[in-house]
Amino acid sequence: QKEVEQNSGPLSVPEGAIASLNCTYSDRGSQSFFWYRQYSGKSPELIMSIYSNGDKEDGRFTAQLNKASQYVSLLIRDSQPSDSATYLCAVTAEGGNQGGKLIFGQGTELSVKP
Amino acid sequence: GAVVSQHPSRVICKSGTSVKIECRSLDFQATTMFWYRQFPKQSLMLMATSNEGSKATYEQGVEKDKFLINHASLTLSTLTVTSAHPEDSSFYICSANRGSGTDTQYFGPGTRLTVL
Repeated sequence: QKEVEQNSGPLSVPEGAIASLNCTYSDRGSQSFFWYRQYSGKSPELIMSIYSNGDKEDGRFTAQLNKASQYVSLLIRDSQPSDSATYLCAVTAEGGNQGGKLIFGQGTELSVKP
Repeated sequence: GAVVSQHPSRVICKSGTSVKIECRSLDFQATTMFWYRQFPKQSLMLMATSNEGSKATYEQGVEKDKFLINHASLTLSTLTVTSAHPEDSSFYICSANRGSGTDTQYFGPGTRLTVL
């Protein structure tokens, strides 16, 4: 069974600190990796996508991918209380025609304290 | 952009009735749409994958006769919950994929269904 694992948290960081969110996945064939942010009662919102090994930066967010270790992470610099949400890691389901299906982790709840 | 809308945003119905939820891609043509269900404090559960003009592919354990999916055009997919019961109360979310080699899914705002 293909799996995506995240620490459910809650992860609590002080305002201004770096929040580090981690995700591991089991399917070596996965090629696309995503981080979504979900506020309570709302639907997921795309934060970052990453496709190749290394770092990808977008504003305060940096996604890191290591396919050899089957590991993807999201760093949030200068964390703000408005970053408090659940962060979902998603990985494409490979192996045959999966039609772009994503496998989601259970999400990490982040709390940024003022 | 990549805007996906859902209607209605919230619905309350009596047990035994059917409810239809619409999902539209507003500024792009969606080759594939996905339907998810999310219970409180749980992650997204994929229910089915919908391609325009073909039958939906349902995930294991999802009753295709209860959750009817129609993807009649490249911008519209509908989910009908037939003979709804209280245990079907959940947050239903659709997403759309632009296709053309990208796997990125853009989510609609969700529909909160409460079955009394």
